[in-house]
Amino acid sequence: NAGVTQTPKFQVLKTGQSMTLQCAQDMNHNSMYWYRQDPGMGLRLIYYSASEGTTDKGEVPNGYNVSRLNKREFSLRLESAAPSQTSVYFCASSNTPSLSTDTQYFGPGTRLTVL
Amino acid sequence: EDKVVQSPLSLVVHEGDTVTLNCSYEVTNFRSLLWYKQEKKAPTFLFMLTSSGIEKKSGRLSSILDKKELSSILNITATQTGDSAIYLCAVPVIQGAQKLVFGQGTRLTINP
Repeated sequence: NAGVTQTPKFQVLKTGQSMTLQCAQDMNHNSMYWYRQDPGMGLRLIYYSASEGTTDKGEVPNGYNVSRLNKREFSLRLESAAPSQTSVYFCASSNTPSLSTDTQYFGPGTRLTVL
Repeated sequence: EDKVVQSPLSLVVHEGDTVTLNCSYEVTNFRSLLWYKQEKKAPTFLFMLTSSGIEKKSGRLSSILDKKELSSILNITATQTGDSAIYLCAVPVIQGAQKLVFGQGTRLTINP
């Protein structure tokens, strides 16, 4: 039982390049989330998927797209990377839409640098 | 706008000291508050506090929710170097689906 896995662990991009961050969970969770973490700013929600087949914008969606490929997988795409997207990206999942009775489980993160 | 604020942002103490970390929130339809510990990688869950469970304790860590003051504290007694981490506070909000709003985090450093 691996929990939440993310690939890659590290990535360096040049401005304008594109890439996709992959996330998968094996806990049969309904909901999945993408966050970014910048120094002194905690975690900020980029996009989330409450259930398979649905996606919604979070707090900072500009410059990103997502795909909920199936119940297990939720990918984050940067179409044209910018230096402002240099950050650590975390994927998370939770069992039910109601976080009052549950918590989110986080992947190990992807450290992305855009030059 | 839903908001979670933590203080202090950074704290350095000596091993054996007791520390208190603060979290205040302004959210509509409050249901619960979560504390996470983040070492080098992913945040790991510590506590969930709700209206029916306003105090939690696990070993040297304890947390209290004050619904009147819209805040929570996380106490760590007899600190050890292994307690060095970023401590994150988060509150679920309902905007179509449940999402977590995080505070900025408190970076705690325990010196030997």
